[in-house]
Amino acid sequence: DTAVSQTPKYLVTQMGNDKSIKCEQNLGHDTMYWYKQDSKKFLKIMFSYNNKELIINETVPNRFSPKSPDKAHLNLHINSLELGDSAVYFCASSQESGGRPLHFGAGTRLSVL
Amino acid sequence: RKEVEQDPGPFNVPEGATVAFNCTYSNSASQSFFWYRQDCRKEPKLLMSVYSSGNEDGRFTAQLNRASQYISLLIRDSKLSDSATYLCVVILGGGKLIFGQGTELSVKP
Repeated sequence: DTAVSQTPKYLVTQMGNDKSIKCEQNLGHDTMYWYKQDSKKFLKIMFSYNNKELIINETVPNRFSPKSPDKAHLNLHINSLELGDSAVYFCASSQESGGRPLHFGAGTRLSVL
Repeated sequence: RKEVEQDPGPFNVPEGATVAFNCTYSNSASQSFFWYRQDCRKEPKLLMSVYSSGNEDGRFTAQLNRASQYISLLIRDSKLSDSATYLCVVILGGGKLIFGQGTELSVKP
């Protein structure tokens, strides 16, 4: 069983479209995250949720909206996609909000044309 | 200055070599430290935590120098399978994780 699963694995879309990425973890963790890895390989945190509550919200355009229906799910919706949004988006989870190892999903490769 | 800095490499070493990576961090209040490994087109995975007294896991040794604000990773007897990008991770107060850019290692036969 995959511990942190995200879908889709690949997403190719046109500028201006709206798309969603879904993430689910079956580890029983309390905290979930979205990270963005750009072409220079930097992994930057976007959002963090603890028990469905937003605890970290980095400087991310408001076109990005996370939603956590329960502590096992954290979805990411992106409106009006731009070329610069092309990246790999990783979902992750951890037992607590800090100091605990992250378990990452396999990533979603987003290409905006 | 970046919060966490690593030499991006690539480090090209022959099998059996010993290789060391350093990572510097700017926030003296940083609380916890880790090394992650990321294979090409895969997700990062925890390699090891870094403890104040230094710690070893097989061929891998991690060390922390709080005074100089750096952590290091030493890999002995490099294997082809060690080829990957090694990411330094620092946890600030409040639980915010900061990743370094990663150091690329290529082990050649």
